[in-house]
Amino acid sequence: EAGVAQSPRYKIIEKRQSVAFWCNPISGHATLYWYQQILGQGPKLLIQFQNNGVVDDSQLPKDRFSAERLKGVDSTLKIQPAKLEDSAVYLCASSSDRVRGAFFGQGTRLTVV
Amino acid sequence: QKEVEQNSGPLSVPEGAIASLNCTYSDRGSQSFFWYRQYSGKSPELIMFIYSNGDKEDGRFTAQLNKASQYVSLLIRDSQPSDSATYLCAVPEAAGNKLTFGGGTRVLVKP
Repeated sequence: EAGVAQSPRYKIIEKRQSVAFWCNPISGHATLYWYQQILGQGPKLLIQFQNNGVVDDSQLPKDRFSAERLKGVDSTLKIQPAKLEDSAVYLCASSSDRVRGAFFGQGTRLTVV
Repeated sequence: QKEVEQNSGPLSVPEGAIASLNCTYSDRGSQSFFWYRQYSGKSPELIMFIYSNGDKEDGRFTAQLNKASQYVSLLIRDSQPSDSATYLCAVPEAAGNKLTFGGGTRVLVKP
């Protein structure tokens, strides 16, 4: 079974630029999450999708971050404009009602300079 | 807002010894708990799940849950250098897999 796929693996941008990350969850997983992990901290949930609907985006900085999951499969997370404090690893995870836990992709390491 | 607390470490243990990691949580209603392992530069990997008081063993790993005291621990027996990683405690929402993570404990196993 293929795992969660994310791209790109690394991205370096200047502040005020925009960036987008892509995620393809494990086949059949209805729930998809985007987490932000700052160096030395645990992952923090940004947004949760159930199929193509948003379940929880309470911690998403909506003035600059947006996410979508069209057709209930792939998802994109966008930051516009980026700030220095957005430098982090952005992790996508997916889960299923049939299996305990969430399963993570390799992440995208974003550096904002 | 759930809170999950872990000692950041590093926890340094000699090879072959037992590494003991603790995690405390704020929500008394939490029913289940996960342990994830994260190697440097890699993503979190699920290693243990526990939902009932007492111990759960899986190979060299033992998870211990004490709901009355609101803590969950992870023991790594016969620690190996390959166990050197950050271990994340995670608490899910009531009926799903949306996770709140602790800050992680960094473990260093020295040969």
